Amino acid sequence: EAGVTQFPSHSVIEKGQTVTLRCDPISGHDNLYWYRRVMGKEIKFLLHFVKESKQDESGMPNNRFLAERTGGTYSTLKVQPAELEDSGVYFCASSHPDGYNYGYTFGSGTRLTVV
Amino acid sequence: GENVEQHPSTLSVQEGDSAVIKCTYSDSASNYFPWYKQELGKRPQLIIDIRSNVGEKKDQRIAVTLNKTAKHFSLHITETQPEDSAVYFCAASRGQAGTALIFGKGTTLSVSS
Repeated sequence: EAGVTQFPSHSVIEKGQTVTLRCDPISGHDNLYWYRRVMGKEIKFLLHFVKESKQDESGMPNNRFLAERTGGTYSTLKVQPAELEDSGVYFCASSHPDGYNYGYTFGSGTRLTVV
Repeated sequence: GENVEQHPSTLSVQEGDSAVIKCTYSDSASNYFPWYKQELGKRPQLIIDIRSNVGEKKDQRIAVTLNKTAKHFSLHITETQPEDSAVYFCAASRGQAGTALIFGKGTTLSVSS
């Protein structure tokens, strides 16, 4: 099966600009998660979709971040306007709510650099 | 909410030695504890997981132990090899289908030959 796909793989933008990251989960995976890793720190939870609904967005840092999941398929994460501290690697992961199968499959991440 | 602490942040061992990484968690309702390995420039990949009804699980050279009373779990890698060099993350969740994992800060393991 195809894995979790993220693009772009890298993005360099100036402070104040807008960037949109995209994630295509594994087909049939209702659960989709966004995480961010800032250099040297933990993989920090941002939010969790179940199909098209936001199940938990407690990790979203502020209202400059907007996540959507149209039709319960792919998801986008928009940062507007971007700040220097938004730099990091943004990971998307998906999982299938099938009994005890809690395992996540991660995408390769988008490395965002705000200059 | 859940908080996961992971130690050490860096670990250097000689090839063939054992490596141990420890994590503690705060939410007593957590019952699912996976470990992920992230090689440089690659995605995190699940290497082993344990659920709260089990105290230990082993898969070849890697093993995980869980002490629910003390709320800590550990990853053990025996006979380390250079290809084990990576960042290792522990995580915890309540285990309901779809519950978000909360990760530790990661341990950078370096295995020298």
